[in-house]
This record gives sequence, structure tokens and C-alpha cells, in this order.
Amino acid sequence: QKEVEQNSGPLSVPEGAIASLNCTYSDRGSQSFFWYRQYSGKSPELIMFIYSNGDKEDGRFTAQLNKASQYVSLLIRDSQPSDSATYLCAVGGNEKLTFGTGTRLTIIP
Amino acid sequence: NAGVTQTPKFRILKIGQSMTLQCTQDMNHNYMYWYRQDPGMGLKLIYYSVGAGITDKGEVPNGYNVSRSTTEDFPLRLELAAPSQTSVYFCASSYPIRGQASTGYEQYFGPGTRLTVT
Repeated sequence: QKEVEQNSGPLSVPEGAIASLNCTYSDRGSQSFFWYRQYSGKSPELIMFIYSNGDKEDGRFTAQLNKASQYVSLLIRDSQPSDSATYLCAVGGNEKLTFGTGTRLTIIP
Repeated sequence: NAGVTQTPKFRILKIGQSMTLQCTQDMNHNYMYWYRQDPGMGLKLIYYSVGAGITDKGEVPNGYNVSRSTTEDFPLRLELAAPSQTSVYFCASSYPIRGQASTGYEQYFGPGTRLTVT
């Protein structure tokens, strides 16, 4: 069974600092990796995807992938209170995704 | 584009009742999905469809049925509702990123339906 593991948190980070979110996955055949942000009571929103080893940057967000270690991370620089949400890691090998349970992030003003 | 729309937003069912959750997308995506999300948990795939007329079971299909007669619509049917089906239900649609299946499928989610079975 494919598994995606995340620390549930809560992770508390001061405003302006870097938030680091981590995810591990069990299926070595996984090809695509996604980070979704979910505000309380709302639906998941895609913020980053990555499918090659290394780093991918988009604004304040950086996704990092290490397929050998089966590890994906998301860094949020200059954290803002609006970044407070649950972050879901999702891993796919085809048209389906397997989601982690999410990490709750709180940015402290 | 409205994206993915779901109705109703909220519903309370009595045990044993049935209902259909509606999902429509206007992005001409072939792939559509139904998930449920329980408090503090991730998303669990119930059913998915790779095109009109084609559906398949996901991780937690028991107690649910689906149909896909058009590209746009993917309704989820609950028969004989049970308290264990109390959850938030999300519909999603997807397309291959950059047109290539090898790069993965970006999924867009609807706003969700909050269902309580009592």
C-alpha cells in the first residue's frame, strides 16, 4: 500500500522566518509530487509541484525532491500570517494521487 | 470558467437515507475524482473516472456509487447512509501537466460538501 507520511504538527514559526515542511513516501515508482495548501473549512489549493530531483522555486516557496531518499520538502521564506494553514503532501505515479494527513502550520505575528 | 462546482454545500441525512452529491467541471478535463476527508486526516480516494463511461474504485468505495455519462458531470451516490459516512466530500478534476502524463496530473478541487449522517 502506498503511504505518504507527514508530521501532523502543529508547527509554529515566527513571522518572517523560514517554515520547513517535510514528507516521505513509500512507493519508489512515484513520479510526481505536489504540495497543497488547505485553509480551515476550505478545499485544497495546489501551490507547488515537482517531478525532478533538486529544488524548484516559485516566489517565497521552494520545493525540494530527493528520490533516492524518498523525501519531499517545502520551504516557505519570509513566512506571513496568511501562510497559516494545513499543508498536504501528495504523491502520484499516474493519474491518481496519494495524500498525506497534512501538517498544520501556524505563523506567529 | 467556474472550475469545479459541487452541490449541496451542506447536508444532514438520517441513517438509511440516500442522496446524490453533484459535481460539475467546465475545464474539459477527462479525469475526475471523489475524495472524502475526515477531521485531521488526509484525503481518501473513493472513486475516479478517466473519461465518460469509465469509472473505477479508489481506496474507500464501499457504500458509494458513481456514474460518468458526460465529461462535465461526475455524481456520487450514497445508498443507505451510515454515521461512518459523516465527512467532507471533495470532487476534483485533473489534466496532465504540460500535456504529458509522465509529469503528473494537476488536480483542481471543488469547494466541498459537508455531510452529517445522524
